[in-house]
Amino acid sequence: RKEVEQDPGPFNVPEGATVAFNCTYSNSASQSFFWYRQDCRKEPKLLMSVYSSGNEDGRFTAQLNRASQYISLLIRDSKLSDSATYLCVVNIGSTGGFKTIFGAGTRLFVKA
Amino acid sequence: GAVVSQHPSRVICKSGTSVKIECRSLDFQATTMFWYRQFPKQSLMLMATSNEGSKATYEQGVEKDKFLINHASLTLSTLTVTSAHPEDSSFYICSARKGLHEQFFGPGTRLTVL
Repeated sequence: RKEVEQDPGPFNVPEGATVAFNCTYSNSASQSFFWYRQDCRKEPKLLMSVYSSGNEDGRFTAQLNRASQYISLLIRDSKLSDSATYLCVVNIGSTGGFKTIFGAGTRLFVKA
Repeated sequence: GAVVSQHPSRVICKSGTSVKIECRSLDFQATTMFWYRQFPKQSLMLMATSNEGSKATYEQGVEKDKFLINHASLTLSTLTVTSAHPEDSSFYICSARKGLHEQFFGPGTRLTVL
């Protein structure tokens, strides 16, 4: 079983749609959680951190359920520019620091 | 945020040659840097953790003699792919840790081995 699992998609949605991505992680020692966005042939860029209380940044809402070891990302009012791969990222604590595990990513295509 | 640079951004080399990739944190000091590799349509895979002034920690399956890592200063880590072969062609990305949990990524180096 992969340490971080995501539905690879692709998700094809029209502009203005609401789309949700899910992610599960297997290591209960996971300490911090993030969603990154990666455009084709580019490096990942931090989209937002994910907190147990849930957090929102404009059209983006992230949720964490530690009991179920589940993370979600909701995108409202999708824009063409939201087309990218969304990576679920988990930091697992270890001696002297942490180890970062990336999910394989969920591809989103927003169409006019 | 913070800025991490990588050089070169793209390299094409012949099989059997060695390639050095540099990763620099431009506006902060990073005691820990990470090297990742990403094959097309796949996830980033951590290759090794580079610690300033000490030996790198390699992930299982990554050959330390093939992928040489040097972290000589708080702002520079280098990855040398020795005797590169076509199967080493990939997108190599470094990141630098700032604080406890934040990572900032370099723009990546696309390596093509002919």
